[in-house]
Amino acid sequence: GIQVEQSPPDLILQEGANSTLRCNFSDSVNNLQWFHQNPWGQLINLFYIPSGTKQNGRLSATTVATERYSLLYISSSQTTDSGVYFCAVQNTGNQFYFGTGTSLTVIP
Amino acid sequence: DSGVTQTPKHLITATGQRVTLRCSPRSGDLSVYWYQQSLDQGLQFLIQYYNGEERAKGNILERFSAQQFPDLHSELNLSSLELGDSALYFCASSVDKATEAFFGQGTRLTVV
Repeated sequence: GIQVEQSPPDLILQEGANSTLRCNFSDSVNNLQWFHQNPWGQLINLFYIPSGTKQNGRLSATTVATERYSLLYISSSQTTDSGVYFCAVQNTGNQFYFGTGTSLTVIP
Repeated sequence: DSGVTQTPKHLITATGQRVTLRCSPRSGDLSVYWYQQSLDQGLQFLIQYYNGEERAKGNILERFSAQQFPDLHSELNLSSLELGDSALYFCASSVDKATEAFFGQGTRLTVV
C-alpha cells in the first residue's frame, strides 16, 4: 500500500498565527483529500486536491503530485481550527490510505 | 452535513454480542467504504463496495462482514464482539473511484 507521512505530528498555535501542514506519500495518486476531525470526531472535508492549488477562506492547499507531497495552509488560526488534520490518498480507487494526522491546538 | 448518514450514533454492548451498523450514502454515490478508528490504530480500511459488489477488502476480521444492498445502503455486521472492537466506525461514499469521498459522522461502539 501507499505510505502517507504527515508532519508535524503535533502543533500548538496562538490564535491568529499561521501554519503549514505537510503530507508526503510514497507512490503516485489520483486522489488526495484533506480532512479535519473535530473534537466530536466528525471528519469534515476540507479539500479534494489531487493536484494544483485551491483556496477556501483562510485555508488553502497545494499538491505537487510529481514530487509526492501536499501542503495545507491555515492562516489567522482560530480556536475552532483545533482538531486533527488528516491527509488521505488513493491510487487504484479501492481504498484511501490515511496519514497519522497532525493534531492542532489553537490557544486563545 | 456530508449527506452520508450512519446509524446508530452510539452503541454500547457486551462482549460476545453482535451488532449491525448502517450507512446510507449520498444520493448518487455508488461506492461505499468502511473504516475503523481506534485510539492506537488510526484510521484502518475495512472494506469497500461499489454498486452492490465488493471491490476491496482491507484489515477486516473474519468476525466482521458487510454488504451493500440494491438501494445502495450498506451494513457492517460485527459479531462475537471483544473489548478491543471498541472504536469509531466510519462509512464514506463517493460517486466512483478517485472522486471526492464524504464521511458520515460515525458510529461510536463501546464493548463492555
